[in-house]
Amino acid sequence: DVLMTQTPVSLPVSLGGQVSISCRSSQSLVHSDGNTYLHWYLQKPGQSPQLLIYRVSNRFSGVPDRFSGSGSGTDFTLKISRVEPEDLGVYYCLQSTHFPLTFGSGTKLEIK
Amino acid sequence: EVQILETGGGLVKPGGSLRLSCATSGFNFNDYFMNWVRQAPGKGLEWVAQIRNKNYNYATYYAESLEGRVTISRDDSKSSVYLQVSSLRAEDTAIYYCTRTTTFDYWGQGVMVTVSS
Repeated sequence: DVLMTQTPVSLPVSLGGQVSISCRSSQSLVHSDGNTYLHWYLQKPGQSPQLLIYRVSNRFSGVPDRFSGSGSGTDFTLKISRVEPEDLGVYYCLQSTHFPLTFGSGTKLEIK
Repeated sequence: EVQILETGGGLVKPGGSLRLSCATSGFNFNDYFMNWVRQAPGKGLEWVAQIRNKNYNYATYYAESLEGRVTISRDDSKSSVYLQVSSLRAEDTAIYYCTRTTTFDYWGQGVMVTVSS
């Protein structure tokens, strides 16, 4: 199975600040079709997860440009700039290149 | 508007079975792969199963931890996907979410399954 190592576990941030979350996979996430199926989600308290970034760097519909994704191969990063109160919650990465599909363990973004 | 609604959760005794349903609307269901994901109380997300569409012969994939106890199926005429879980254990207690395609772009609100005597 592909192990997704997500860091940090907890991320205190000041409103208006910038943060980065790392997600590293135990093997390359480049699919045989040439795409890299690494995605990022935010789960706000009491809600279902919501897609932020798909295939490494593509913002989903309605996602502010404060969110950006980057990376390749086995090393990926989600950056959030100008953090707002609505950004608080738990962030997860997901790889859907290899079965079984696997999530990172989550990063909790909280107010410093 | 894409809508996904899970039903069928509840309290089940250990060893019992349950069938979860996921009704969808607002998109051409036939074109999409569908997944089930679960989340135990206070824990992270765990992918459970995927079913592909007719173009991929309705191929199915399962998490190894559940293989043999779960079956994912779909009814394209009803735009619905199902998850049958058997031999339920306490550790299957979780919210079960239905999600769309390989990017998990839309999620339902989830349905709670509690396994307890």
